[in-house]
Amino acid sequence: EAGVAQSPRYKIIEKRQSVAFWCNPISGHATLYWYQQILGQGPKLLIQFQNNGVVDDSQLPKDRFSAERLKGVDSTLKIQPAKLEDSAVYLCASSLTPGMNTEAFFGQGTRLTVV
Amino acid sequence: AQTVTQSQPEMSVQEAETVTLSCTYDTSESDYYLFWYKQPPSRQMILVIRQEAYKQQNATENRFSVNFQKAAKSFSLKISDSQLGDAAMYFCAYAGSNFGNEKLTFGTGTRLTIIP
Repeated sequence: EAGVAQSPRYKIIEKRQSVAFWCNPISGHATLYWYQQILGQGPKLLIQFQNNGVVDDSQLPKDRFSAERLKGVDSTLKIQPAKLEDSAVYLCASSLTPGMNTEAFFGQGTRLTVV
Repeated sequence: AQTVTQSQPEMSVQEAETVTLSCTYDTSESDYYLFWYKQPPSRQMILVIRQEAYKQQNATENRFSVNFQKAAKSFSLKISDSQLGDAAMYFCAYAGSNFGNEKLTFGTGTRLTIIP
């Protein structure tokens, strides 16, 4: 089966610009996660969707970050305006059902550099 | 809030030897899951092994095994017969068992180098 697809793989933008990342989860997976991984750290959850509803967005900087999952399939994560500290790898993951009874599969991530 | 600590930023091992990566965590929950993920330079996180907290038996997956000490909140990963392909960043992670608390909380990682 196809894995979690993310695009683009790399993105370089100037501070105060906007950027969007796209994620296509594994077919049939109801739960979708966006994680932020700053260099030298472990990934940190930004937002969790169950179908097209938000389960947890407590660590999403809502003044500049937004995410949506229309129709409960693909998802986009947007940053506007970007700051230097947003430089990181953005990982998308999906799982068949909520809960850790099923494995979460990760995409290859998008590396964002803000200059 | 749950926390995960990996105190070894870097480890190295000779090919074919055994290495153990350490992880401790803090939680007030009684039921949860623990994981070890591998992240090669491709950046994709790959699940290596998982452990359910209610199971006393340590999980094993081929050359990978864990030593789960629930009372001590310790969860170490042992890699036997190390291979060049094992070189990567390894992350220990925790997840709760209740709906809305399934997010993975990761440690800071251990970079494993395999010496030929």
